[in-house]
Amino acid sequence: SQKIEQNSEALNIQEGKTATLTCNYTNYSPAYLQWYRQDPGRGPVFLLLIRENEKEKRKERLKVTFDTTLKQSLFHITASQPADSATYLCALDDSSGTYKYIFGTGTRLKVLA
Amino acid sequence: NAGVTQTPKFRILKIGQSMTLQCAQDMNHNYMYWYRQDPGMGLKLIYYSVGAGITDKGEVPNGYNVSRSTTEDFPLRLELAAPSQTSVYFCASRLAGGRSEQYFGPGTRLTVT
Repeated sequence: SQKIEQNSEALNIQEGKTATLTCNYTNYSPAYLQWYRQDPGRGPVFLLLIRENEKEKRKERLKVTFDTTLKQSLFHITASQPADSATYLCALDDSSGTYKYIFGTGTRLKVLA
Repeated sequence: NAGVTQTPKFRILKIGQSMTLQCAQDMNHNYMYWYRQDPGMGLKLIYYSVGAGITDKGEVPNGYNVSRSTTEDFPLRLELAAPSQTSVYFCASRLAGGRSEQYFGPGTRLTVT
């Protein structure tokens, strides 16, 4: 069956360290993968998109990698700050050509001051 | 430019009642989506639309209906509300094509008792 998995347990890290979040998928062949941030009581906000032929994408302190062989994306936040505390969702297109995106359950990140 | 707006923000329904969740976007986006998010879970796609007059089912369509008579509006109808429909509902929109990000509304928190 098709699955998208993100660490269900919260990730606590110290301010200034690099946070690394994982998104694994099975039985999908996505052309695109996106990462979103969601704060409590709010809708998700888009952060980054990476295509299947791109290994890595960066935006300021954010970096995303996409390994289609391992069927995995890693999301890194360098020099993390308490303001980065939120839930991070990965989403991939469901390969059906309709460009529906399927979301993972999200990983809650807490950056400790 | 208001982006994606949703009304109401909160609603309590009794079992068996019906209601319509409103969603509107002013970005001239072709694609619109309805998701539900249960506590600690990711987003589940209920229905989506790729343009006015065109709608299709997502992962969890049972108990819901949609219509798309204009590009701007995409209401979600709940008929015969059930406790299992207690959730937070998010509407999203985006431009056509696989690379575009989704813009989410602020959500509607619905409780069915």
